[in-house]
Amino acid sequence: DTAVSQTPKYLVTQMGNDKSIKCEQNLGHDTMYWYKQDSKKFLKIMFSYNNKELIINETVPNRFSPKSPDKAHLNLHINSLELGDSAVYFCASSQGRSSYEQYFGPGTRLTVT
Amino acid sequence: AQSVTQLDSQVPVFEEAPVELRCNYSSSVSVYLFWYVQYPNQGLQLLLKYLSGSTLVKGINGFEAEFNKSQTSFHLRKPSVHISDTAEYFCAVSSEDDKIIFGKGTRLHILP
Repeated sequence: DTAVSQTPKYLVTQMGNDKSIKCEQNLGHDTMYWYKQDSKKFLKIMFSYNNKELIINETVPNRFSPKSPDKAHLNLHINSLELGDSAVYFCASSQGRSSYEQYFGPGTRLTVT
Repeated sequence: AQSVTQLDSQVPVFEEAPVELRCNYSSSVSVYLFWYVQYPNQGLQLLLKYLSGSTLVKGINGFEAEFNKSQTSFHLRKPSVHISDTAEYFCAVSSEDDKIIFGKGTRLHILP
C-alpha cells in the first residue's frame, strides 16, 4: 500500500493551460502539504492544511489553488500555467503539525512548454 | 525569521570513509530539526529528528546528528558510507508557529 500517492507522475502541458495534481494519503494523518522543488533541488513549502483548514499559505501566485475535500486528500489546481511553473511538486502528510515527521509522495514532474 | 544553511552543495567521499554534512540554522524561537534523504527520482524520507532531550540523535541507515544550540548547528554524520548512500540530503527546521524551511540540500557522492 502506498502511504502518500500522487497523480499524475508526469505532466506535460502548454503555457496557458489549467491543470490539477491529486494527492491522497492513507495514513490517517491530519496535516497535508504541497511543496515545489525546482531544477536546483530547492524545496519550498507552498501550502499546508490541517483538518481541511488552510494553515500555511506561502507567497504563491494566486493561480495556484489547493483544495482539500477531506483529510485524506489535498489537490493542487494551477491556472494559466507559465514556463516558470515547471518543477517537481511533492505532496506530504504528517500526523500533526510542526514537530511531526512528514511523509512524502513520489512527486509529480510538471513540464510547461 | 528562520533560515537554514547547508554549507556544502556537494560532498564527495570514498566508500567506507566517514562523512559529515553540515547544517546551521537561525531562529528567534525554539525549533525542531530534521534531516531528510532524497534518493534519485523519489520523494523525501526522514533520516532523523531532534525535538528535545539528548542532543545526539540516531537515525536510520547508520546516520546520526548532534544538536548544538550554542553553535546553532545540526550536523549529520555517518562513520562509514556505502554506495547506496548516494542521494540528496536536506536539513529542515520547523517551529511552533508552523513555519517549515528546508535547506538547499547537499548531494552526497560516493566514490568507489
